[in-house]
Amino acid sequence: GESVGLHLPTLSVQEGDNSIINCAYSNSASDYFIWYKQESGKGPQFIIDIRSNMDKRQGQRVTVLLNKTVKHLSLQIAATQPGDSAVYFCAENRGAAGNKLTFGGGTRVLVKP
Amino acid sequence: GAGVSQTPSNKVTEKGKYVELRCDPISGHTALYWYRQSLGQGPEFLIYFQGTGAADDSGLPNDRFFAVRPEGSVSTLKIQRTERGDSAVYLCASSLAGSYEQYFGPGTRLTVT
Repeated sequence: GESVGLHLPTLSVQEGDNSIINCAYSNSASDYFIWYKQESGKGPQFIIDIRSNMDKRQGQRVTVLLNKTVKHLSLQIAATQPGDSAVYFCAENRGAAGNKLTFGGGTRVLVKP
Repeated sequence: GAGVSQTPSNKVTEKGKYVELRCDPISGHTALYWYRQSLGQGPEFLIYFQGTGAADDSGLPNDRFFAVRPEGSVSTLKIQRTERGDSAVYLCASSLAGSYEQYFGPGTRLTVT
């Protein structure tokens, strides 16, 4: 079935470098996308979102890019810090009533000192 | 303000037993969601409440799973005749009416022995 997925299961990055996490989605009807960060033993924490009528959105140290042509979503983290070590999930809302989210499998980011 | 809270944080039960998991959403959030997360995977949608009614229960795996939200605030997820395959982290999230932005609780880790 249609789902949200990720290209890289684990990403190791040097502290201070930029991180890029990628996500592919298959449902062209999806109109809203979110990136969540999940630390061990905790629930997912909202990072940033983007609607399908946008192709870029920036937050504090994070940028989300949306390419609807190839159904691709990415999260860029600038100047990665040790506290950024976590599992990152992309999720999509397919526009159906109820706002339920469909999550991908996650990418683990390991920040090396 | 207080976030989403879930109790208990951990629950160990024997196969065949009945369990109840509780979720206290953020005050004022009319939408409430239950998700289930298996190890190494993203959360999977179970059920969504708007107010007191279940607007979408399409994610409940079978009739052993049931959830209620009698007063439009606290919700209880009920699992009958638990099976080992029910072992997972059960996450609750809430959002304002009409908002896609869901805030997650820390989850309840359920272990069925």
